[in-house]
Amino acid sequence: GAGVSQSPRYKVAKRGQDVALRCDPISGHVSLFWYQQALGQGPEFLTYFQNEAQLDKSGLPSDRFFAERPEGSVSTLKIQRTQQEDSAVYLCASSLRDTGIPGELFFGEGSRLTVL
Amino acid sequence: KQEVTQIPAALSVPEGENLVLNCSFTDSAIYNLQWFRQDPGKGLTSLLLIQSSQREQTSGRLNASLDKSSGRSTLYIAASQPGDSATYLCAVLRRQLTFGSGTQLTVLP
Repeated sequence: GAGVSQSPRYKVAKRGQDVALRCDPISGHVSLFWYQQALGQGPEFLTYFQNEAQLDKSGLPSDRFFAERPEGSVSTLKIQRTQQEDSAVYLCASSLRDTGIPGELFFGEGSRLTVL
Repeated sequence: KQEVTQIPAALSVPEGENLVLNCSFTDSAIYNLQWFRQDPGKGLTSLLLIQSSQREQTSGRLNASLDKSSGRSTLYIAASQPGDSATYLCAVLRRQLTFGSGTQLTVLP
């Protein structure tokens, strides 16, 4: 596609529900990142994939958060037993480079999660 | 741990003014620095990317500079327009992008 596509754009979940957020990166982009952005703050790093390999998951806030990219293209961020503090915009970004330095990142419009 | 600070947090200017947004970072061992624009409810749009070996980049009315040794970058916007109103974020890349909290810019007609 022309850009990074994320779905759903908006998700309302009851506390305790599981949610899954999808990211379609730009075709051919090797690197994929997930970020969490709280209201009024800059994005915070969650996790990074190079192709299907999850090279860094140091930013995942708890073991309730899980991300995968099984075929090296589409990625899913799953949040189990959602809590109110999980409410945020979840941004996905992709980059063309296949070296250790990702280069310029292109972001999707994000998935806004609200946990009631 | 890398920390990125943006000053000011908010800025309101009349149309036509030239303005400067500031970004500082604590760890100078970066690969590049990127400036983004974010409109309300939208994702991030990349404006300029400066590699660590570069001093500045220009695109239209935008000019970004990088002084890696002092841990500073500035984004200069010439002849501001109401359409420039948005939040501007800077981010530095080492292992991953680390963002500042942004400067919310309002350009008044």
